[in-house]
Amino acid sequence: SQQGEEDPQALSIQEGENATMNCSYKTSINNLQWYRQNSGRGLVHLILIRSNEREKHSGRLRVTLDTSKKSSSLLITASRAADTASYFCATDPGGATNKLIFGTGTLLAVQP
Amino acid sequence: ETGVTQSPTHLIKTRGQQVTLRCSSQSGHNTVSWYQQALGQGPQFIFQYYREEENGRGNFPPRFSGLQFPNYSSELNVNALELDDSALYLCASSPGHTAPEAFFGQGTRLTVV
Repeated sequence: SQQGEEDPQALSIQEGENATMNCSYKTSINNLQWYRQNSGRGLVHLILIRSNEREKHSGRLRVTLDTSKKSSSLLITASRAADTASYFCATDPGGATNKLIFGTGTLLAVQP
Repeated sequence: ETGVTQSPTHLIKTRGQQVTLRCSSQSGHNTVSWYQQALGQGPQFIFQYYREEENGRGNFPPRFSGLQFPNYSSELNVNALELDDSALYLCASSPGHTAPEAFFGQGTRLTVV
């Protein structure tokens, strides 16, 4: 079963604009990760934030985590056409396996 | 590129048949996880193999089985295929069963007709 929901399901913006995607999850986590998927192919790891962190940056990406609300957001600044993809959050509940529980994804379209 | 390779890239099978999907993990990684991604959905965890042993399983029936070999490559086998098994099957490798980051292959698109 899916861990939670992502919002919005789809987002269309112009190049240069910022894109914000939100993720909600249901259970306690060890860390939360964001992945990108192009055209239904493999997933590419973008960024990981641990449960004791509140904000993390990587290049044009900014991730926040609010464990009290069980939610996270991904901000992509100054978007480019090449950012067009599906974005998924994935939670790692910890324990003896590093299985990931994925959300439903946000489809981002960046118009040139 | 993650260094994780999957084969074949596409496959069409008939309902009731059996299928084997293959995955070569990234060099130095001893853990392989398999995920099923139905169209329009996020990936769902099938199972994980760590040092040739199953190390965790998701909510999938026993007709989904796997193997991991001494070189840490892996196979996913699905028996008695059903139409709902049509999906993208993703393999991910990690340097350990508790390592946080997973490196995904490009997936195998399975169509059951």
